[in-house]
Amino acid sequence: QVHLQESGPGLVKPSETVSLTCSVSDDSISTYYWTWIRQPPGKGLEWIGNIYSSGNTNYNPSLKTRVVLSVDTSRNQISLKLSSVTAADTAVYYCARDMYYFHYWGQGILVTVSS
Amino acid sequence: DIQMTQSPSSVSASVGDSVTITCRASQGIGIWLAWYQQKPGKAPKVLINAASSLQSGVPSRFRGTGSGTDFTLTISSLQPEDFASYYCQQAHSSPFTFGGGTKVEMK
Repeated sequence: QVHLQESGPGLVKPSETVSLTCSVSDDSISTYYWTWIRQPPGKGLEWIGNIYSSGNTNYNPSLKTRVVLSVDTSRNQISLKLSSVTAADTAVYYCARDMYYFHYWGQGILVTVSS
Repeated sequence: DIQMTQSPSSVSASVGDSVTITCRASQGIGIWLAWYQQKPGKAPKVLINAASSLQSGVPSRFRGTGSGTDFTLTISSLQPEDFASYYCQQAHSSPFTFGGGTKVEMK
């Protein structure tokens, strides 16, 4: 069973760029779409976007100007960069496998935006 | 974007009760719908996809129905481990969107 693990800074200052990484436990990174989803504390889920191993990406229009997803198949890692962060970007960020329905999830990483 | 409206936002129930959660899409999505269960501090877990397809290992007391714009998740004979939050998600078109969630609480 595949295991996903998010990593990155837990605290980011407003206007900065946050970089998160999702490490995938096996070589399936080349076979599936990989998705990022976030959840502000106490709130619902928001789809950020997805990426395939070819580099093909789909982004949520609400975040498209600030998000970049990338994949490193040699390291079995997917990365997310979110720029110009504000307090509204404070959330638990999850990586998940698949394009349409998300069967495997990481444990999530809380990113707090605060000065 | 397709808006997903879930109701109720919370429900109080007892062990053994039956609970029904409704999800309405702002436009037709066929059967491109999933239901997730989320417990505090944990990632969501997919229970049902394609509106009614129960995922492996999910108890049969969970049932999903619907197509088009109206969907329901029914939990029959609620068990202690079922007290959690539930979310619907449309997979018809990007951006894939979630309902606002329903918290099933113990009465």
